Amino acid sequence: DAGITQSPRHKVTETGTPVTLRCHQTENHRYMYWYRQDPGHGLRLIHYSYGVKDTDKGEVSDGYSVSRSKTEDFLLTLESATSSQTSVYFCAISETQGSEQYFGPGTRLTVT
Amino acid sequence: AQSVTQPDIHITVSEGASLELRCNYSYGATPYLFWYVQSPGQGLQLLLKYFSGDTLVQGIKGFEAEFKRSQSSFNLRKPSVHWSDAAEYFCAVGVRNNDMRFGAGTRLTVKP
Repeated sequence: DAGITQSPRHKVTETGTPVTLRCHQTENHRYMYWYRQDPGHGLRLIHYSYGVKDTDKGEVSDGYSVSRSKTEDFLLTLESATSSQTSVYFCAISETQGSEQYFGPGTRLTVT
Repeated sequence: AQSVTQPDIHITVSEGASLELRCNYSYGATPYLFWYVQSPGQGLQLLLKYFSGDTLVQGIKGFEAEFKRSQSSFNLRKPSVHWSDAAEYFCAVGVRNNDMRFGAGTRLTVKP
């Protein structure tokens, strides 16, 4: 298995609070991604990174921000969590854009 | 617009029966094609991929998939399903230097 960890694995938070999810990789892959998974929608890209300090928006980026200060870490922040952001969040990595991605175990986030 | 369609939301097959999961895509460029499997509570695991060459590709766990350019399809097959194959399956399409898009998934139930 690719060396990808996500923390926390589960989180319950209240509407309006900030939340940060962490993805850590040991594969030294250039590209890192954050997806959300919701029933009936498959996986939708939130943001991705193509290098340290280099990030770009995905399909569903509103309400989310990201940061990548080191190759191995990619943070996803919900500045003010809303109930619509209740979801399972997956981090993924790849060597090149468009090539196969390897996924972390996911973080289940519940916003009450 | 770029899209990936998995027409079957849920499929039930008997153990030992053959399986075919459908995937159609709409992309302007020649895509990279992938199938992933997700067991409950787990991340996504890559089953197989197609980049170029032989249009019939073999993957892990006895799965194979065939790329048909004329039909814009990449269907996943297995000759004899095992109870452990029960999971959700995602087709994904990537384009070089661009994002990967996922289908909404097909949930497979295996009857004893």
